[in-house]
Amino acid sequence: AQTVTQSQPEMSVQEAETVTLSCTYDTSESDYYLFWYKQPPSRQMILVIRQEAYKQQNATENRFSVNFQKAAKSFSLKISDSQLGDAAMYFCAYRSPNTGNQFYFGTGTSLTVIP
Amino acid sequence: KAGVTQTPRYLIKTRGQQVTLSCSPISGHRSVSWYQQTPGQGLQFLFEYFSETQRNKGNFPGRFSGRQFSNSRSEMNVSTLELGDSALYLCASSQDSGGGNSPLHFGNGTRLTVT
Repeated sequence: AQTVTQSQPEMSVQEAETVTLSCTYDTSESDYYLFWYKQPPSRQMILVIRQEAYKQQNATENRFSVNFQKAAKSFSLKISDSQLGDAAMYFCAYRSPNTGNQFYFGTGTSLTVIP
Repeated sequence: KAGVTQTPRYLIKTRGQQVTLSCSPISGHRSVSWYQQTPGQGLQFLFEYFSETQRNKGNFPGRFSGRQFSNSRSEMNVSTLELGDSALYLCASSQDSGGGNSPLHFGNGTRLTVT
């Protein structure tokens, strides 16, 4: 089974600053998909950004961008101009093309935004 | 479009009892997955149903079971509850049959407490 590791249980950032959350994964597959989800205190998991492994270009969604390093099996999330509403748990997830909708999640990073 | 709906939001049960959780996916989504979320463990995959058939199953004991109805609504059942079953149970639906970059869409979860 694939393993997803988030080595930072907690992170903090000053409002308007930039923060990077780390994620590494272990796989022998060459084709797969990676996702970042955000879980605010309301508990609902919200998709932040996604990346296809076959695409070399890093995905970007407004203030959120990723640094995808396929050879290093690394998929970090960069949040620019951090806002108070960005405070949440962030989960990195891996999806294989061969196991339907079974996602493998990391243990999460709790992000605090300091005003 | 209505999102993924999970009922109930909270449940308190006693050891040895059984419980049924319900999930209504986004209209048109035929895949429904269930995840168990506990502190420090992240999200653990329970199972996935697609068109009323269980397609994938995670590494959970047989006390955890599920089913999907013809309208794609899904139920998850846990029998002979144990204290360790206390968790947030998340349901997620997806538009496609799996393997692509379509994300999971999550409900707000059911918080189960076993006493």
